[in-house]
Amino acid sequence: EAQVTQNPRYLITVTGKKLTVTCSQNMNHEYMSWYRQDPGLGLRQIYYSMNVEVTDKGDVPEGYKVSRKEKRNFPLILESPSPNQTSLYFCASSLSSFSNQPQHFGDGTRLSIL
Amino acid sequence: GESVGLHLPTLSVQEGDNSIINCAYSNSASDYFIWYKQESGKGPQFIIDIRSNMDKRQGQRVTVLLNKTVKHLSLQIAATQPGDSAVYFCAEKAGGTSYGKLTFGQGTILTVHP
Repeated sequence: EAQVTQNPRYLITVTGKKLTVTCSQNMNHEYMSWYRQDPGLGLRQIYYSMNVEVTDKGDVPEGYKVSRKEKRNFPLILESPSPNQTSLYFCASSLSSFSNQPQHFGDGTRLSIL
Repeated sequence: GESVGLHLPTLSVQEGDNSIINCAYSNSASDYFIWYKQESGKGPQFIIDIRSNMDKRQGQRVTVLLNKTVKHLSLQIAATQPGDSAVYFCAEKAGGTSYGKLTFGQGTILTVHP
């Protein structure tokens, strides 16, 4: 089944404790992206990757890191999480960075930073 | 910056009625539009898309209309069912070197009453 898989689905942690949210897609998609979803603010892009070893900042990149060492994986790293990063996070992928293709989303990761 | 917005934050309909969800966009350079459905606890699910060289596109029970003159996008759902209850987002992608970046609207909550 074609899908985008995120782990963990839920995480409660404390300020300053490094965490990684994994994202994997099995559709051989070039483009991958991370979003956060907050009430009243909608979906905002954090980082995106157009292909392996190519990443760039989205609209709200502060406090986050990403890497794209393999085509299928695009982990989101919070080196020193803070309470304002408490949010619902979505990973998405699409076939191509340049053609008009819909993005397919994972089921989300709910992070709570205490 | 440019953004995608929605006219109505909530919409309640009776089962069997037709639903229309509207979206206004402000970026005249946008060349690709997508409607997503998000159910509670899940990620946005692709419904239908349309390119800017089209005015209308039909899927199964859904139709998307694009009016570039007034920068307006709508999603029509025929014979709405309780399973259609969800939050619906429109998203736009600017043309040129936008590299797949989507800008999302705030969402409309659709509630279908049996």
